[in-house]
Amino acid sequence: DAKTTQPPSMDCAEGRAANLPCNHSTISGNEYVYWYRQIHSQGPQYIIHGLKNNETNEMASLIITEDRKSSTLILPHATLRDTAVYYCIVENYGQNFVFGPGTRLSVLP
Amino acid sequence: KAGVTQTPRYLIKTRGQQVTLSCSPISGHRSVSWYQQTPGQGLQFLFEYFSETQRNKGNFPGRFSGRQFSNSRSEMNVSTLELGDSALYLCASRLSQETQYFGPGTRLLVL
Repeated sequence: DAKTTQPPSMDCAEGRAANLPCNHSTISGNEYVYWYRQIHSQGPQYIIHGLKNNETNEMASLIITEDRKSSTLILPHATLRDTAVYYCIVENYGQNFVFGPGTRLSVLP
Repeated sequence: KAGVTQTPRYLIKTRGQQVTLSCSPISGHRSVSWYQQTPGQGLQFLFEYFSETQRNKGNFPGRFSGRQFSNSRSEMNVSTLELGDSALYLCASRLSQETQYFGPGTRLLVL
């Protein structure tokens, strides 16, 4: 079973920040938080990952709470091309992933 | 760098046949993992190969098998196809323990 819980769907206005939450209350000390997205049955695309600290790259920011029981993926300026299913995965480094159903993000014009 | 490539992209087979899917990892990546994606079960891990050895295996029947060659390319085989094997089969590669990068997938339809 997946170790994360995500809302099944979310909407976001184009140009606004999209904040996608993820709960992982049973996360252990060695487990990372990974985010991937899948656009219309293409292969999942890696977005970002982190262990304890907040992370930022050219695509997104990852905010992990101090107790590590939840995290938020932030797409700072969502575009229509960001419409996708977003998966939050918690796993030990180097292990293979157990995917949940993810969050279907719809970016609206 | 070229990404992960998978061939063929689409495939139609009939029940009872077998099928072989191919995956070429990102240059330099030594690990290849396979996943199955269906509407009912979502994305599920099949197996992982590293340096030509199976490193991990998911909970799939023995009809699903794979192998990896010395150049890190991998194939997966499904024998005695069933209707329920219709799915998107995804391959992912990584150097060793690092982040996985997925290919576009092979969509298999079993009639």
